[in-house]
Amino acid sequence: NAGVMQNPRHLVRRRGQEARLRCSPMKGHSHVYWYRQLPEEGLKFMVYLQKENIIDESGMPKERFSAEFPKEGPSILRIQQVVRGDSAAYFCASSPRTGSSYNEQFFGPGTRLTVL
Amino acid sequence: GESVGLHLPTLSVQEGDNSIINCAYSNSASDYFIWYKQESGKGPQFIIDIRSNMDKRQGQRVTVLLNKTVKHLSLQIAATQPGDSAVYFCAERQYIFGTGTRLKVLA
Repeated sequence: NAGVMQNPRHLVRRRGQEARLRCSPMKGHSHVYWYRQLPEEGLKFMVYLQKENIIDESGMPKERFSAEFPKEGPSILRIQQVVRGDSAAYFCASSPRTGSSYNEQFFGPGTRLTVL
Repeated sequence: GESVGLHLPTLSVQEGDNSIINCAYSNSASDYFIWYKQESGKGPQFIIDIRSNMDKRQGQRVTVLLNKTVKHLSLQIAATQPGDSAVYFCAERQYIFGTGTRLKVLA
């Protein structure tokens, strides 16, 4: 059973370009979480999604950032018109069940975004 | 607002000694806490969790203590090994993470 997969592992963009980060949850997991981590800092929650639904997007910046988790295919975190401050590691995690606050999350290896 | 914080950014421990990593939280209604380990270049990995109806939980070489009175939890690692070198995060419920403590194991 493969773990959470993220691609690309490294992504370089110039200011103003778009960045698309993909996350494939573990098999059987229907919940996905996205986090951002700046160097030497903790994980900042961004968004929590279930297939075709956004459950909690309280951590998402109001502009330029969007996320989806379609019925088929990976979850996508999209950053439009990237700026240097978007440079960070973006981690995705998945969990298996609905509703419970006790679900362990399984993390992917992250995508390191560098904005030039 | 809610926050989860850590007291020490870096902890250096001699190999074989015990390590104690601390974490404070502010939401007295929090009922579930998780410790994660993050090695360099990798995503966080679950270590151990504890629910608020417990004050202690033990795993393999790790123990988590929860003091609800002062809203504090700690992760104790027995006989620290070089492979324990990582950043350790406490998390409140599912997705509120503290800043992290870097554990350095000295040979």
